[in-house]
Amino acid sequence: TQLLEQSPQFLSIQEGENLTVYCNSSSVFSSLQWYRQEPGEGPVLLVTVVTGGEVKKLKRLTFQFGDARKDSSLHITAAQPGDTGLYLCAGEETSGSRLTFGEGTQLTVNP
Amino acid sequence: GAVVSQHPSWVICKSGTSVKIECRSLDFQATTMFWYRQFPKQSLMLMATSNEGSKATYEQGVEKDKFLINHASLTLSTLTVTSAHPEDSSFYICSAGSPNTDTQYFGPGTRLTVL
Repeated sequence: TQLLEQSPQFLSIQEGENLTVYCNSSSVFSSLQWYRQEPGEGPVLLVTVVTGGEVKKLKRLTFQFGDARKDSSLHITAAQPGDTGLYLCAGEETSGSRLTFGEGTQLTVNP
Repeated sequence: GAVVSQHPSWVICKSGTSVKIECRSLDFQATTMFWYRQFPKQSLMLMATSNEGSKATYEQGVEKDKFLINHASLTLSTLTVTSAHPEDSSFYICSAGSPNTDTQYFGPGTRLTVL
């Protein structure tokens, strides 16, 4: 079973600060996805990274896939209170197969 | 994007009763659906993989006789929690795999509370 270690598990910052969330594994994934989940709702897909070394940007969010496709990071610039939520990384062993989720990072952005 | 619905969105039941949760892909056909369980402040844990027309594949530690999964059509999978107990109280989330994009689309989840 492939495992994904996500850090930090909890993060509380002030509005305007930058932050980075890490997702690491000893295994190789064919793709890695980042989700954001709000209380009482299902996770919403933010991005999928497929190619080693790939960088994708979504407004103030920057996602990077490690060269070896074993790790990924999510960087948020100038965090806003609306960014508050549970951020989850999930790796896919092969295309279309089961997802392995990291433990999640609970982000709180204080105004 | 693809839409996945779940019904009910929340349910409260007495200990010992059975509860059925439905997962539907509204605008695409899903040969594979996944069922997850999420406890407060924790991540999603895969319970089982549901394949249309065949038996579900359960993850280690998940009792197949307690969590009955039926995937009778390409747009519907059901999870029945049999003889529910308070420790089964959790947030149950399904996802459906789109064959066109190899992407899993998640439902909004069902909050189960067993008294």
